[in-house]
Amino acid sequence: EAGVAQSPRYKIIEKRQSVAFWCNPISGHATLYWYQQILGQGPKLLIQFQNNGVVDDSQLPKDRFSAERLKGVDSTLKIQPAKLEDSAVYLCASSLLGGSNEQFFGPGTRLTVL
Amino acid sequence: QKEVEQDPGPLSVPEGAIVSLNCTYSNSAFQYFMWYRQYSRKGPELLMYTYSSGNKEDGRFTAQVDKSSKYISLFIRDSQPSDSATYLCATFTGGGNKLTFGTGTQLKVEL
Repeated sequence: EAGVAQSPRYKIIEKRQSVAFWCNPISGHATLYWYQQILGQGPKLLIQFQNNGVVDDSQLPKDRFSAERLKGVDSTLKIQPAKLEDSAVYLCASSLLGGSNEQFFGPGTRLTVL
Repeated sequence: QKEVEQDPGPLSVPEGAIVSLNCTYSNSAFQYFMWYRQYSRKGPELLMYTYSSGNKEDGRFTAQVDKSSKYISLFIRDSQPSDSATYLCATFTGGGNKLTFGTGTQLKVEL
C-alpha cells in the first residue's frame, strides 16, 4: 500500500512570496489533515477535510493560508504572503474515517522563509 | 498551560537500557492516548494507542495511562540504536476532534 505522498520535499522562499504544497493521501482515505510542525515542537493541526468538505480550520491563519481538496482526493495548501515565522515542516496525514485515531503521515515539506 | 506537556530532552541512554518517556495532559475529556515515533526528516508514525486508563504492551514497548493523575508513559525495554528518534505523545477526545501533540522527546540510544 502506497503511503501519503507530498511534494516538494524542500522549499526555500523569500518573505512575502507565495508557496504551495501538494498532498496525495492513501487511496480510499476520506479524511485528510494538514499540520504545521515548527522545529522543536509537536505537529499542530491547521485544517481537516472530510472528503472535500472542511471539518476543522480553527487554527488556520486564514489571512495568509488557504487549502483545498476539490475532488476529495489530492489537496493543496497555499501560503500567500509568507512570513519568517512560517518556516516549518508542513505535514499531510490521512485516515480512513474522520475521528480515526490512526492517522498516516507523509514525509512533510520543509519550508524555509528568508 | 499547554494541553499536553512533554519534556523535550534530549535523552541519551546506552543500548539495552530501559527507557521511560512521559507526558502530562490537562483536559480530562481526553480519552485516546497515542505514541508516535518520528525519525529525522520523516513524518510521525503511530507506535501505540490506548483507550482510557491502563497498560498496553507490544513487544518491547509498553504504554501506560493514568487518568487520575493525567499522566501518560511509554516504556522501551532493551533499547536499540534503531529506537533513536523523537517520540511524540498525542491525545484526542474521539468523534473527529483534533489530535493534540506534545512537543516530543528526542531519544538517542548509543552503542
